[in-house]
Amino acid sequence: AQRVTQPEKLLSVFKGAPVELKCNYSYSGSPELFWYVQYSRQRLQLLLRHISRESIKGFTADLNKGETSFHLKKPFAQEEDSAMYYCALRGAGGTSYGKLTFGQGTILTVHP
Amino acid sequence: DADVTQTPRNRITKTGKRIMLECSQTKGHDRMYWYRQDPGLGLQLIYYSFDVKDINKGEISDGYSVSRQAQAKFSLSLESAIPNQTALYFCATNGQGYPDQETQYFGPGTRLLVL
Repeated sequence: AQRVTQPEKLLSVFKGAPVELKCNYSYSGSPELFWYVQYSRQRLQLLLRHISRESIKGFTADLNKGETSFHLKKPFAQEEDSAMYYCALRGAGGTSYGKLTFGQGTILTVHP
Repeated sequence: DADVTQTPRNRITKTGKRIMLECSQTKGHDRMYWYRQDPGLGLQLIYYSFDVKDINKGEISDGYSVSRQAQAKFSLSLESAIPNQTALYFCATNGQGYPDQETQYFGPGTRLLVL
């Protein structure tokens, strides 16, 4: 079974401070990890995917297979980063293929 | 993304009533999903469909049923609504091939209150 854990329901930081949203996963195969974001009054949307190794809106996330983690980081938080963030894992084969398993979500608030 | 629409956007119903939530997409995707969002529990998969003839249960399918009427339409039904089905419901789609296979596109959500 695949499982995603986001240990922090709420995270508050001040503008300009570094931010890290934690994500740990459990999966027996080779995982595909994603971060989705939901801004206020907007749809849930993809933020970034581990396979692309990209930086989106200043956010990066590195897949650490040894620690089974995929933490989302940004060196200098902005007020517009305030949102709900979901970590998600996609099964790579068999009956899990194509399905996403989401974590519980973390609400990030960036104070001015 | 207006390519995935959900109706109704808000619904209040009473315990025991049957209701249907509808999802339509114009993205031409084969794969469609229904999730519910509860505070503290995140998004949980209810049902999913990889094509018109394919229906699969997700993590929390009890009390729900679905119908895939066409490639573009995927409906979720609550046969006899109960208060703990009060939640925000999302429909999502994704396609095949890069990048659509890696990205799920979500609808705006339906807020359901069961009294």
